[in-house]
Amino acid sequence: AQTVTQSQPEMSVQEAETVTLSCTYDTSENNYYLFWYKQPPSRQMILVIRQEAYKQQNATENRFSVNFQKAAKSFSLKISDSQLGDTAMYFCAFYDMRFGAGTRLTVKP
Amino acid sequence: GAVVSQHPSWVICKSGTSVKIECRSLDFQATTMFWYRQFPKQSLMLMATSNEGSKATYEQGVEKDKFLINHASLTLSTLTVTSAHPEDSSFYICSAKRQGTYTEAFFGQGTRLTVV
Repeated sequence: AQTVTQSQPEMSVQEAETVTLSCTYDTSENNYYLFWYKQPPSRQMILVIRQEAYKQQNATENRFSVNFQKAAKSFSLKISDSQLGDTAMYFCAFYDMRFGAGTRLTVKP
Repeated sequence: GAVVSQHPSWVICKSGTSVKIECRSLDFQATTMFWYRQFPKQSLMLMATSNEGSKATYEQGVEKDKFLINHASLTLSTLTVTSAHPEDSSFYICSAKRQGTYTEAFFGQGTRLTVV
């Protein structure tokens, strides 16, 4: 079974700055997808970005990008130009929809 | 976009009664649905995975006789909490995926269950 680990319970960043959230995972599979979801105070889960393991190129979605290191089984999320609306819980997930413990991100004005 | 609707958004029930939560995919066929429980300030704990027309696969430690999951159609899955007790009070979330192992899941808005 896959495991997903997020070791940063809480992080904060100043508005307009950049922050990186960490995620590591363990799997014996070679082909898989990884996801980052955010859960704002409304508690609605929103897909932020996804990465296909067979692609070496890191995924990017506007201000959000990942640093995918397959050999190291690392999948970090970088948020550039942080905005107040980015304040949320961020969860890393494997394609079987098992989630890490989450990181609570606070963007400060 | 892909929309998943979960109903009700909140429910209060008396201890010993059963309550049903519905999860509907409104604009796509959901071959796989997931049910989660989320405690305050914690992650989503996967309770079970269900494929349309098949019995749900429950995670270790989840009582399948207490949390009945039905996925009878490609657009609807239900979670029934039977003989609810105060310790079952929680936030329950469903998600749904289209056909394909590696597709992303879309989430319902969640249901706040309070057992009194």
